[in-house]
Amino acid sequence: SQKIEQNSEALNIQEGKTATLTCNYTNYSPAYLQWYRQDPGRGPVFLLLIRENEKEKRKERLKVTFDTTLKQSLFHITASQPADSATYLCALDISRGDKIIFGKGTRLHILP
Amino acid sequence: DAGVTQSPTHLIKTRGQQVTLRCSPKSGHDTVSWYQQALGQGPQFIFQYYEEEERQRGNFPDRFSGHQFPNYSSELNVNALLLGDSALYLCASSPILADTQYFGPGTRLTVL
Repeated sequence: SQKIEQNSEALNIQEGKTATLTCNYTNYSPAYLQWYRQDPGRGPVFLLLIRENEKEKRKERLKVTFDTTLKQSLFHITASQPADSATYLCALDISRGDKIIFGKGTRLHILP
Repeated sequence: DAGVTQSPTHLIKTRGQQVTLRCSPKSGHDTVSWYQQALGQGPQFIFQYYEEEERQRGNFPDRFSGHQFPNYSSELNVNALLLGDSALYLCASSPILADTQYFGPGTRLTVL
């Protein structure tokens, strides 16, 4: 069965440093992978999408990489701020656009 | 432009009861997906509706059913509630075949 793992339940990073979150998957070749941010008691908010033929995508202080050989995506937040503290979810397309599955998420704490 | 809205915000039910949750998609979106998110977990796909029909379904029992109306709004019905159905229920909308979806704030269901 498809499996998606975000291998840190929680991550503490000092303000100003770069936070790097990891998403690994098995048993599938997704057309794309997405990253979402979720604050407590709220719905996820879409951040970035990276397609299978893209190696890297950037948006302001965010960068996502996608290695289909390693079956891994890395999500970076540069110059991190306390306001970046949230849970970050990785989501994988498993049916060519019809259905996505989510990882459990990584709780990121940016320490002032 | 209103985003995705869901009602009610919170709901408390007892085992064996039935519940109906409601979702209004973002303007211009015709596809609605429902997710269940247990505490500390990522969202799990329940099903997707397009043109008033269930288009895709996740691994959920028949107790979970849905409906989409001609104005694209949607309902999620859960029968014979179990304690394990306690979760945040999220609705997400998108145009058909779009890669990104927009989530509502969710309905927190507690089953006692």
